[in-house]
Amino acid sequence: QLQLQESGPGLVKPSETLSLTCSVSGGSISSNNAYYWAYIRQPPGKGLEWIGSVHSSGSTYYNPSVKDRLSISRDTSKNQFSLKLTYATAADTAVYYCARHEGWGRFDPWGQGTLVTVSS
Amino acid sequence: ETVLTQSPDTLSLSPGEGATLSCRASQSLNNNFLTWYQQKPGQPPRLLIYGASNRATGIPDRFSGSGSGTDFTLTISRLEPEDFAVYYCQRYDGSAPMYSFGQGTRLEIK
Repeated sequence: QLQLQESGPGLVKPSETLSLTCSVSGGSISSNNAYYWAYIRQPPGKGLEWIGSVHSSGSTYYNPSVKDRLSISRDTSKNQFSLKLTYATAADTAVYYCARHEGWGRFDPWGQGTLVTVSS
Repeated sequence: ETVLTQSPDTLSLSPGEGATLSCRASQSLNNNFLTWYQQKPGQPPRLLIYGASNRATGIPDRFSGSGSGTDFTLTISRLEPEDFAVYYCQRYDGSAPMYSFGQGTRLEIK
């Protein structure tokens, strides 16, 4: 059974870099070209926003709203993929989820999510 | 950029009643890559319907999806207490942004 788990600091200072890692178990992030590995965020009390994905081949795709600040990478030896969002602001405060998806959507499964607060 | 608008924002119904949730795209989807999720407080979203009308594994048959083009519907035939949650639609678009979500419909107990 595929499982995803987010990890990283729960508190980030403004202007610093928000970094998260998603650890995947029960399947390889590099073995099936049908799959992408994504980060989605949800500000408290608000809706969902896809922020970016990395394909099993290593290609990356970013939401234009964060494209200039975002980097998603993968470590196939650890079966993990990671997010770095530079110059964090209070607007980046959210629960961050990682999830697997196919090219046309269908995000499943999801990690449990981790709350990241940007505050001094 | 295609925007997904869900209606209503909040739907108040009683267990046993039927629910109809709408998701409208600002531009026609050239495909039926429309997905529905259910989210309960403190939990990640749960996949319900993909490809506009296909139920995900383990989803009860009281959930059904329909629609094409710009108008999509999630129908819950007989509400169970565990169905009260927030529902999101999501679509794929080949242009940026590649994946977007509707703002959600909150289904609450009347």
